Amino acid sequence: NAGVTQTPKFRILKIGQSMTLQCTQDMNHNYMYWYRQDPGMGLKLIYYSVGAGITDKGEVPNGYNVSRSTTEDFPLRLELAAPSQTSVYFCASSKGVAGNEQFFGPGTRLTVL
Amino acid sequence: DAKTTQPPSMDCAEGRAANLPCNHSTISGNEYVYWYRQIHSQGPQYIIHGLKNNETNEMASLIITEDRKSSTLILPHATLRDTAVYYCIVNLWSNFGNEKLTFGTGTRLTIIP
Repeated sequence: NAGVTQTPKFRILKIGQSMTLQCTQDMNHNYMYWYRQDPGMGLKLIYYSVGAGITDKGEVPNGYNVSRSTTEDFPLRLELAAPSQTSVYFCASSKGVAGNEQFFGPGTRLTVL
Repeated sequence: DAKTTQPPSMDCAEGRAANLPCNHSTISGNEYVYWYRQIHSQGPQYIIHGLKNNETNEMASLIITEDRKSSTLILPHATLRDTAVYYCIVNLWSNFGNEKLTFGTGTRLTIIP
């Protein structure tokens, strides 16, 4: 199993541009998550999904959109990028069983200039 | 969700046991204690979790006090590869899963050769 994969690894955007961060998992997990991590800080939940077609907001959803059309994929869309969105983005997945752990991808480092 | 308090940094000699404390004095009866770690800029890695009883797996042991207000993660024989930021997370398992993981700033553990 590849686990959780994310593309791209690095990206530089100009203010106002848009992009999609890709996340795929091959563990047949129902639950998927997007986090952001600012320098020196812990992770903050942006959006999560408990299954295909079902998504919900986390702690910091403003400026982002998600969709979940398949079990495997959970893309994160940034519209009108702003410097405040400069961060490292992590995707994660889990089985969705009580006490079960989350598996994280390697992250996407995004810089908005 | 209950908050956690961890020391910002700790050192441990290689080969010795690393004991990482965590205070969660406002934890409720159905909240789990999770430990994750993040090595350099990688995605967080699950270590262990528990509810009431002490737990052990191939990576670590988790000791939870009887009143559940604090816990200790024990890495029995620390190696240089255990140098990382360790996050203690208290999480309420809801009907929709563990989507509410809240990462603080953790403890930066440095293993000294």
